[in-house]
Amino acid sequence: GQQLNQSPQSMFIQEGEDVSMNCTSSSIFNTWLWYKQDPGEGPVLLIALYKAGELTSNGRLTAQFGITRKDSFLNISASIPSDVGIYFCAGHLSLVGRGGSNYKLTFGKGTLLTVNP
Amino acid sequence: GAVVSQHPSRVICKSGTSVKIECRSLDFQATTMFWYRQFPKQSLMLMATSNEGSKATYEQGVEKDKFLINHASLTLSTLTVTSAHPEDSSFYICSARDRPGGRTPPLHFGNGTRLTVT
Repeated sequence: GQQLNQSPQSMFIQEGEDVSMNCTSSSIFNTWLWYKQDPGEGPVLLIALYKAGELTSNGRLTAQFGITRKDSFLNISASIPSDVGIYFCAGHLSLVGRGGSNYKLTFGKGTLLTVNP
Repeated sequence: GAVVSQHPSRVICKSGTSVKIECRSLDFQATTMFWYRQFPKQSLMLMATSNEGSKATYEQGVEKDKFLINHASLTLSTLTVTSAHPEDSSFYICSARDRPGGRTPPLHFGNGTRLTVT
């Protein structure tokens, strides 16, 4: 099955620094998603990418869908304390005729971000 | 935007009892909902896909008789953990797809349910 490698596993940074994390896959996806999860809560969608090469921003966050369709990165600029949390990438490959199971997401293992004020 | 609500947010039950978790789509109709389990410091693992009006599709290794899923309406799916044991203690999260047809995956997740079995 598809596997996602997300790195780094954790990061400790100072407030104001930029952050970069990435995911690579053993096979292609046609959608990449980035989520943030706070303790005890569900993941919240940050950015959705639907096209190879696509570069999308959401405030201080920027993410790109790799040209090979096997990777994606997320950058956070000028980090602030509330950026603390776990960031997950997720990939999706739609398959014709698979019905409901066509919409399964494959998640990376997450990047734990700590921001020191 | 699309909102997915889960209830309860926390539940503690005794070993051997059953627990029901609800997942509702608040402002859209969800023909398909997904149930995930997340252990501490780990990623989300898909347990099953819940289809409105039909049987759920379970992932390999997930016991369908233990984790009963009912998706009786376009806005509600329930997950019942039957005869719960301490090893079932986990964080259960649902997601729902708000677009009928097409190729896009579900994007929105509930806030999760923390199940503790004593």
